Amino acid sequence: QIQLQQSGPGLVKPSQTLSLTCAISGDSVSNNIATWNWIRQSPSRGLEWLGRTFYRSKWNNVYADSVKSRITINPDTSKNQVTLQLNSVTPEDTAVYYCARTGYFAEYCQAWGQGTLVTVSS
Amino acid sequence: QSALTQPASVSGSPGQSITISCTGTSSDVGAYNYVSWYQQHPGRVPKLLIYDVTNRPSGVSNRFSGSKSGNTASLTISGLQAEDEADYFCCSYAPGDTLVFGGGTKATVL
Repeated sequence: QIQLQQSGPGLVKPSQTLSLTCAISGDSVSNNIATWNWIRQSPSRGLEWLGRTFYRSKWNNVYADSVKSRITINPDTSKNQVTLQLNSVTPEDTAVYYCARTGYFAEYCQAWGQGTLVTVSS
Repeated sequence: QSALTQPASVSGSPGQSITISCTGTSSDVGAYNYVSWYQQHPGRVPKLLIYDVTNRPSGVSNRFSGSKSGNTASLTISGLQAEDEADYFCCSYAPGDTLVFGGGTKATVL
């Protein structure tokens, strides 16, 4: 059974960088039929897909246009985890952040992390 | 990457059926059979109900069913029960290897 365990700070100051980690068990971050996504949810924006990383002979990243200039998603093969970094945050980035697994030709979230509420405030 | 359109709310009495629509475009919902639906109770993680338009994961009640016509996908809940009161979200694969979600629908059991 695939389990995703998220960690990271719940409070970030405006203009700083939001950083979260998603530790994977029951699967490998390098699995070439898996894709590792970050999604956020807020009352004003609902569920918003942010981006994904996946391995298909090489590492690939795809990001949502809304955050493309500020986001980085990286795999950490030594720890079997995925990290999210979102730069230059504003209060609009306040949300519950989730990591989630989708699959190759299986474009649905089969497993979710527990969610992390991140508040952007001074 | 515009969000898919869902009604803000739907309601029904116990035992009735309700249908939640999810309207996209010919580039997302209409282009791929990769529509999924999720149920979310307050404070909980979304739960997968339907994938690939019509398929139910193991353990999901057969009271939940999915369909698609053109650029609109639908989730039907039959034999409505009190525990079905929740938020429901659709999701579609979209161009550029991205995903797009609907705005969510609050289902109320009267």
